[in-house]
Amino acid sequence: DGGITQSPKYLFRKEGQNVTLSCEQNLNHDAMYWYRQDPGQGLRLIYYSQIVNDFQKGDIAEGYSVSREKKESFPLTVTSAQKNPTAFYLCASSKGTGGPYEQYFGPGTRLTVT
Amino acid sequence: QQPVQSPQAVILREGEDAVINCSSSKALYSVHWYRQKHGEAPVFLMILLKGGEQKGHEKISASFNEKKQQSSLYLTASQLSYSGTYFCGTAYLSYNTDKLIFGTGTRLQVFP
Repeated sequence: DGGITQSPKYLFRKEGQNVTLSCEQNLNHDAMYWYRQDPGQGLRLIYYSQIVNDFQKGDIAEGYSVSREKKESFPLTVTSAQKNPTAFYLCASSKGTGGPYEQYFGPGTRLTVT
Repeated sequence: QQPVQSPQAVILREGEDAVINCSSSKALYSVHWYRQKHGEAPVFLMILLKGGEQKGHEKISASFNEKKQQSSLYLTASQLSYSGTYFCGTAYLSYNTDKLIFGTGTRLQVFP
């Protein structure tokens, strides 16, 4: 079955540690996205990538970093510079550029930093 | 520019209808509608393109009013399964049309 996988589902870290969230898709989609969701604030775009080895900052990129070395994978690193990292993180992918195309979402990773 | 969704919350009995609006102060290229159940991933419902088209999916349909820069989602004869939070995601001609900006959501609860 085609889809997007994110792991782990729940992640706990101590303050000051970097943490990497995994996102893999087997839909052969060109574009991938990372969103952050906080209660009452909807989904906010962190980073997106429309092609391998290229990515752009979204609206709240500070304290985050990404890479896109393979078409299937778009990992997100939450660095210690992110002031309030506890949130629900969603990865999505879409067919490509020049859409509009439906975005398919992964199941999400709930990160708690204490 | 984040779109504004209204109302923020709706409570319905099974079989009742609801309308959720998504408004923008900038010229829209497309509007995407998603439903999210608590703790789960958002699920795609439909995309509306500028041009005022209306789309439907079973008892859920949507329209795009280009003059008002607004999209409305219509839920007819609601079912218990319709409960969840509905988000609109908007794309703009003046920016990257693949980048969506999501509203803060409308929480819908359907009771028997």
